[in-house]
Amino acid sequence: SQQGEEDPQALSIQEGENATMNCSYKTSINNLQWYRQNSGRGLVHLILIRSNEREKHSGRLRVTLDTSKKSSSLLITASRAADTASYFCATEMQGAQKLVFGQGTRLTINP
Amino acid sequence: EAGVAQSPRYKIIEKRQSVAFWCNPISGHATLYWYQQILGQGPKLLIQFQNNGVVDDSQLPKDRFSAERLKGVDSTLKIQPAKLEDSAVYLCASSPRLAGDVGELFFGEGSRLTVL
Repeated sequence: SQQGEEDPQALSIQEGENATMNCSYKTSINNLQWYRQNSGRGLVHLILIRSNEREKHSGRLRVTLDTSKKSSSLLITASRAADTASYFCATEMQGAQKLVFGQGTRLTINP
Repeated sequence: EAGVAQSPRYKIIEKRQSVAFWCNPISGHATLYWYQQILGQGPKLLIQFQNNGVVDDSQLPKDRFSAERLKGVDSTLKIQPAKLEDSAVYLCASSPRLAGDVGELFFGEGSRLTVL
């Protein structure tokens, strides 16, 4: 079964706006990762946040983690058409050395 | 550095036929994963290898799916016989990690299977 659930399932915004995607999970984790997948391509790693971290930045990406609520958010600032893709959160549960992916958020950036 | 290589990129077969997918991970990466991604869903782990040993194959349908990683380098995933519900993209990923947490996975472009 899927550990993470992304919300919303689909998001459409105008270029230049910020995009926020959320991920909730069920069990304690070692870390949480976000990946991007362009249509017809493989997944590309964006950012990893460990369970003892609360916030992490990478360029226009900002990830937060709230372990008390078992949730994470990915913020993409100043969106570009090239950001159009599906975004997946993946969790590594404690005691299990594997990544479990959520269903993803399909992000569309309109020019 | 070369990425994860997969072939074929596309395959169309009739149900009950067999198919094989090949993956060559990034050089030196000890851990290799096969994921199945059905259209509109997230990737689901089928099998995980560390070097040439199986770490997790709990979600591999063993009556029809098999995988091997000879010599701890490249890997093949086979489906025999295929069913309609096997239509999906099969993603191979690798990681340099052997111990500790999983860390970042490096994915190939995937092999898209259509079963008619």
